[in-house]
Formats: sequence, structure tokens, C-alpha cells
Amino acid sequence: GAVVSQHPSWVICKSGTSVKIECRSLDFQATTMFWYRQFPKQSLMLMATSNEGSKATYEQGVEKDKFLINHASLTLSTLTVTSAHPEDSSFYICSAQGDRIGNQPQHFGDGTRLSIL
Amino acid sequence: SQKIEQNSEALNIQEGKTATLTCNYTNYSPAYLQWYRQDPGRGPVFLLLIRENEKEKRKERLKVTFDTTLKQSLFHITASQPADSATYLCALGRNSKLTFGTGTRLQVTL
Repeated sequence: GAVVSQHPSWVICKSGTSVKIECRSLDFQATTMFWYRQFPKQSLMLMATSNEGSKATYEQGVEKDKFLINHASLTLSTLTVTSAHPEDSSFYICSAQGDRIGNQPQHFGDGTRLSIL
Repeated sequence: SQKIEQNSEALNIQEGKTATLTCNYTNYSPAYLQWYRQDPGRGPVFLLLIRENEKEKRKERLKVTFDTTLKQSLFHITASQPADSATYLCALGRNSKLTFGTGTRLQVTL
């Protein structure tokens, strides 16, 4: 149980392109989803938290107009990297939590490797 | 600012031995602490959660301790196997938000 699917797993695109990443909880309802990015040999850095039906909460230093998050249903959240540039190249990982109680595990997708040329 | 320290150097142990990984933190009062396993190119996989009022948790060959006075958690894998080779991340949590350490790479050899 508690499977999270992330798509696509790998994207290469030209600078200036917008890229959409999907995160789906397959066998549970995710009231809260999280988006992280991870650089090589570094820790996961939380970018934003999204609750179904409400606006995402972004961490300090993360541009909300650059990284658009939509959590339209209890099983799907999307992250759109708008007008991507080479410095946006990274490993983006989503996670989902089945309730709003904080001290529960997060279930992660397998990440999306984004490379901007 | 918050700081989470995990041994950045890889931990190499022999199969069958107990692996002990350390997570130290400063400037933070987590309500709970979680340990995850991450394989290369994959997302983290949840292993154990321990709350601030708990001292120890066990799950099969895994054991985690949590000392809020020392601001430290220890993660043990007993009877380690080559399949346990991975990077292990500790994450401190409060109000649903997790802050991750950089992880420790464990290599179990035959």
C-alpha cells in the first residue's frame, strides 16, 4: 500500500520550455502533497506544501510564479516549472501524506530528473 | 539556523554485523523523527518514525533511538545484508514539515 507514482521520470528540454510533472497517490487519498528538489549528494529541500483544494505554501526563496503547483484532487498534484533554465536542472521528488496529522510518514514518488539544455 | 548532521562518509561493514548510523541536530525541537532509505535515482522509502516522547522503536531488524536531550537519533540495522546497502536519511518533523539530513551511505560487503 501507499504507492506514489511520479511522471515523467526523466525530462530533457530546451531552455525556456515549461515542464509539467505529475504526482499521483495510487491507493490512498493524499490530503497533503509535498514537492522537493535534490541536488547531487545533497539533502532533499522542501519547495512547497500543497493541500487539496487550496493554494500551495511555498518555502522561503522558492518563486511561486516559477514553480506552479496545483493540487486539484485527493490523488493528483502537479508541479510546472515555467520557462525553465539550466539552473533549474535538478531531481524533483514529490511525496504524499494521507492525513493532515503531522506525525505520519510521507510516501515518496521515484522522482523526475530534469535536465535543461 | 537548523542543522542536521549525518556522517557524510560512507559506512562500510561486513555482512552479519550491526550497522549504526547517527543523526545529530541543533537549533531544532522536532515533534518526531523519521528514517528513510534512498537508493540511487529513486525516491526515499519510509522505514521508521519515532515521536519526541518515545525513546526507542523497533521493526524487524531495524531499531531507532531518540534522545531529545542529546539531540541525537541512532539507527541500527542488525544482521546486515548486502541488500541493505543504500543511503539512509534522517528527517526531523514538526507540523507536517520534514527537514532532511544529507544522508549516510551504507555499504554492506560479503
